[in-house]
Amino acid sequence: EPEVTQTPSHQVTQMGQEVILRCVPISNHLYFYWYRQILGQKVEFLVSFYNNEISEKSEIFDDQFSVERPDGSNFTLKIRSTKLEDSAMYFCASSPTSGSSYEQYFGPGTRLTVT
Amino acid sequence: AQSVTQLGSHVSVSEGALVLLRCNYSSSVPPYLFWYVQYPNQGLQLLLKYTSAATLVKGINGFEAEFKKSETSFHLTKPSAHMSDAAEYFCAVSDEGTYKYIFGTGTRLKVLA
Repeated sequence: EPEVTQTPSHQVTQMGQEVILRCVPISNHLYFYWYRQILGQKVEFLVSFYNNEISEKSEIFDDQFSVERPDGSNFTLKIRSTKLEDSAMYFCASSPTSGSSYEQYFGPGTRLTVT
Repeated sequence: AQSVTQLGSHVSVSEGALVLLRCNYSSSVPPYLFWYVQYPNQGLQLLLKYTSAATLVKGINGFEAEFKKSETSFHLTKPSAHMSDAAEYFCAVSDEGTYKYIFGTGTRLKVLA
């Protein structure tokens, strides 16, 4: 069964460093998402992406965040200058089409630790 | 703004007992509702979804959930817990016209032998 994959599973970085989290969505899916979960808190929406552009973003997704689909298979989340409060589990998701009734398929997550 | 409340961050049940995980949403307009399960070191897997069809929704692994508009609830149940059900369960809601999910804080289910 096709699945969303994410690399790395765990990333440790120093404050102020840039990190890139990578995701490979399911191959025939068109919509892509990033969510994050700070330890002990809710899973929060960051951004959705379609047709090579952001379709929706949350207040969390400020100028230090960016997303890209560089090669037609990978979907990346870049954090330009990490802060301690960026430490969280980051989930990538994809869905075959738009519409709220279509479920999103999630990857296993990347745990980002900023020291 | 839409919100989701999951009562009980940790729930313990005996093997074979009823599982009841609670989820309430805030919207006055029936949204789309989802339950996801996360096993250790794995991604979020869809258990079931409500999309304005039948109010009683059956999902995988024997789980079901009932949409109750009057109570703004979408509680997840399973008649008989199995050890393999131990995991974290997330309720999520999505409104018409938006791509994003709003998640609850999750409930960690422990099944006792």
